[in-house]
Amino acid sequence: GAVVSQHPSWVICKSGTSVKIECRSLDFQATTMFWYRQFPKQSLMLMATSNEGSKATYEQGVEKDKFLINHASLTLSTLTVTSAHPEDSSFYICSAKRGQDYGYTFGSGTRLTVV
Amino acid sequence: AQSVTQPDIHITVSEGASLELRCNYSYGATPYLFWYVQSPGQGLQLLLKYFSGDTLVQGIKGFEAEFKRSQSSFNLRKPSVHWSDAAEYFCAVGPTFGNEKLTFGTGTRLTIIP
Repeated sequence: GAVVSQHPSWVICKSGTSVKIECRSLDFQATTMFWYRQFPKQSLMLMATSNEGSKATYEQGVEKDKFLINHASLTLSTLTVTSAHPEDSSFYICSAKRGQDYGYTFGSGTRLTVV
Repeated sequence: AQSVTQPDIHITVSEGASLELRCNYSYGATPYLFWYVQSPGQGLQLLLKYFSGDTLVQGIKGFEAEFKRSQSSFNLRKPSVHWSDAAEYFCAVGPTFGNEKLTFGTGTRLTIIP
């Protein structure tokens, strides 16, 4: 149990376009979802925390207008990278927290390359 | 604020040898502690977690970790590593009251040699 599906696994887009990444909890309701960014050989950097039906809380330094997060249901959160540029190229990972048992389940990540 | 330190950036171990990965945390109260493993290009998989109770925690894939409050440590151990254990390992602490996020250490890359 406790599976989080993240799509796409990889995406290549042209500079200036927008890309949407989906994160779904398949067999549980996620009270909170998290979006991370990971640079090569580095740790995970939390970008934002989202709760179903409310606005996401962004970490300091993360551009909320560039990285749009929508948590429309208890099983789906999306991250949209708007007007992507090469410096947005990175590995993005979502995580879903279920209930009160402090179970944090991670998606398999999305490799974004902006050309 | 909570923080996690993983002192070892890279560790190389021979297959079949024992392993210990270090993790030190900074947190005012009893922490919730986690160890995750990440294979290249993949997400994170939970190895084990500690909330309370027995300070020696058993996880998946033969891993265990021991919570030592006096040393603010939560080191990960395995008695005999396999080549498939080569990966990046992350220690994390959290959540705190009013903030559900996890704080990750910088990770330790494990290389296994034959």
